[in-house]
Amino acid sequence: EADIYQTPRYLVIGTGKKITLECSQTMGHDKMYWYQQDPGMELHLIHYSYGVNSTEKGDLSSESTVSRIRTEHFPLTLESARPSHTSQYLCASSEFRNSPLHFGNGTRLTVT
Amino acid sequence: KNQVEQSPQSLIILEGKNCTLQCNYTVSPFSNLRWYKQDTGRGPVSLTIMTFSENTKSNGRYTATLDADTKQSSLHITASQLSDSASYICVVSPDNYGQNFVFGPGTRLSVLP
Repeated sequence: EADIYQTPRYLVIGTGKKITLECSQTMGHDKMYWYQQDPGMELHLIHYSYGVNSTEKGDLSSESTVSRIRTEHFPLTLESARPSHTSQYLCASSEFRNSPLHFGNGTRLTVT
Repeated sequence: KNQVEQSPQSLIILEGKNCTLQCNYTVSPFSNLRWYKQDTGRGPVSLTIMTFSENTKSNGRYTATLDADTKQSSLHITASQLSDSASYICVVSPDNYGQNFVFGPGTRLSVLP
């Protein structure tokens, strides 16, 4: 399996809290992605990055931010968590445009 | 609108049997089509990637086919095992830039002993 790690695996927080989901990969991939996945539903792109200091917004980016200061690290921050943010968040990386996406095992977030 | 549809939504088969999962897409232009396997509580894992010129690609007991003219793909699983129980996701890329992936909702496969 690919070396891409997400922490925490599970998180329960209260409404209004600021949280950061961590994602790290040891493969030296330039491209990294954050996806949101609800049970039985499609993955939706939140943010992506082509490399250090390069980030772009996806379809669901309006309530979160990312940074890419180092190649291996791509954290996702929710400034003020809401119950609608309850979901699974998947981080992925890839080497080239047509390379497979390598996914982490996700963070299951519950906002109460 | 770029879309990927998968059928059936869920499928139950007995261990040792074969099965075929379907993927129809309306993504244009087309760059490549991917199949991923996602175990419960885990991230998806790549099974195959096919470009426009490829009709068939195998990965062990998994064989994917692509008909770019009819915009259909299938994933055939041979001699199923209990460990094949998972969701299988079809993903289409409309360009070579590598971020505009269109994900299907997946087919949930359960293999029973």
